[in-house]
Amino acid sequence: AIRMTQSPSSFSASTGDRVTITCRASQGISSYLAWYQQKPGKAPKLLIYAASTLQSGVPSRFSGSGSGTDFTLTISCLQSEDFATYYCQQYYSYPPKWTFGQGTKVEIK
Amino acid sequence: EVQLLESGGGLVQPGGSLRLSCAASGFTFSSYAMSWVRQAPGKGLEWVSAISGSGGSTYYADSVKGRFTISRDNSKNTLYLQMNSLRAEDTAVYYCAKDKVASTMVQGVFFDYWGQGTLVTVSS
Repeated sequence: AIRMTQSPSSFSASTGDRVTITCRASQGISSYLAWYQQKPGKAPKLLIYAASTLQSGVPSRFSGSGSGTDFTLTISCLQSEDFATYYCQQYYSYPPKWTFGQGTKVEIK
Repeated sequence: EVQLLESGGGLVQPGGSLRLSCAASGFTFSSYAMSWVRQAPGKGLEWVSAISGSGGSTYYADSVKGRFTISRDNSKNTLYLQMNSLRAEDTAVYYCAKDKVASTMVQGVFFDYWGQGTLVTVSS
């Protein structure tokens, strides 16, 4: 199975900061990568797919980049509602064995 | 408005069985692959199983293959997960999730809508 590794696992940031989360795949996955945001007790929410396409309704301060094995999620100006855990997911595998990163928790400094 | 509503979770003893349901509304259910994704307490997300829109193709994570069975009833707009031979490590919140792209194949799937989740606890 393709292993997805996120870094860092957690960090503290302040409102207004620019933050970047990295996701690395154990093998090339082209651009078959999605990013999700999850808040405590809630279901995940799709933010970005195809590595860089913003899901409808998601604020433009979120952006994604990368292809192959290395990907990033950037929040250009962190807002209070962005404190959450973020997951990447590869959907390249066929037959399906889709895998998620272990998550990155963004906490308030 | 798309809605996914899971039910059927609860406390079950190791070795026991449970069937989860996910009632869908707000979209053409039969046109979309559906999946189950779980999250153990305090842990990350794990894809469990997927099924094509017609129900003719099913896929499983190695951790549940041979124990879990995914199915769907398109006349009732409902997705199911039959879980047998449950283990303590199956304890998790189980989410049903909808593929973003309408397709006859289960390929390149990511999830634009998720249910609220149902908790399965396997313990004696």
